[in-house]
Amino acid sequence: AQTVTQSQPEMSVQEAETVTLSCTYDTSESDYYLFWYKQPPSRQMILVIRQEAYKQQNATENRFSVNFQKAAKSFSLKISDSQLGDAAMYFCAYRSAMGGSNYKLTFGKGTLLTVNP
Amino acid sequence: KAGVTQTPRYLIKTRGQQVTLSCSPISGHRSVSWYQQTPGQGLQFLFEYFSETQRNKGNFPGRFSGRQFSNSRSEMNVSTLELGDSALYLCASSTGTTTNEKLFFGSGTQLSVL
Repeated sequence: AQTVTQSQPEMSVQEAETVTLSCTYDTSESDYYLFWYKQPPSRQMILVIRQEAYKQQNATENRFSVNFQKAAKSFSLKISDSQLGDAAMYFCAYRSAMGGSNYKLTFGKGTLLTVNP
Repeated sequence: KAGVTQTPRYLIKTRGQQVTLSCSPISGHRSVSWYQQTPGQGLQFLFEYFSETQRNKGNFPGRFSGRQFSNSRSEMNVSTLELGDSALYLCASSTGTTTNEKLFFGSGTQLSVL
């Protein structure tokens, strides 16, 4: 079974600064997808960024980028120029690309990000 | 396009009762999956339905069940409620046809069991 670990329960950052959230995972599969989701107080999970394991290039979405290290099974999220609206719980998630378990997400426990003005 | 709609938003039940939660996916989406979110266990996968068939199932007792209707709307039922069933229940929808697609989540149903 796959596991996802987020070792930082809470993080804080000053507005306009950069912060990196850590995520490690364990899997025996070679083909999979990794995601970062954001959950604001509204409770709705919002996809921030996703990475296909077969792609060596790190994904980027505007101010959000990842550092994907497949051999180390590490998938960190970097938020640049942090904004007050970035404050939320962030979840790292794994999805297999194989067989019938394609549509199941395995989540980490989350990192609560606070953005200070 | 309307998003994923979950009803009700909040629910209070007592131990031993049963409850039904509803999820209406985005129009055209045929896959609906359910997750339980608690402070202690985090987000855990319950099950996924695609075209009225359960395609994936998590490690939850048989008290947790679900179904999907021909219009892709899904319901989740929990029988004989226990205190530990208090949680935020999230559903997510997608087309269910590609492996790397995005899941769209609803805002959840907060269930409190007294």
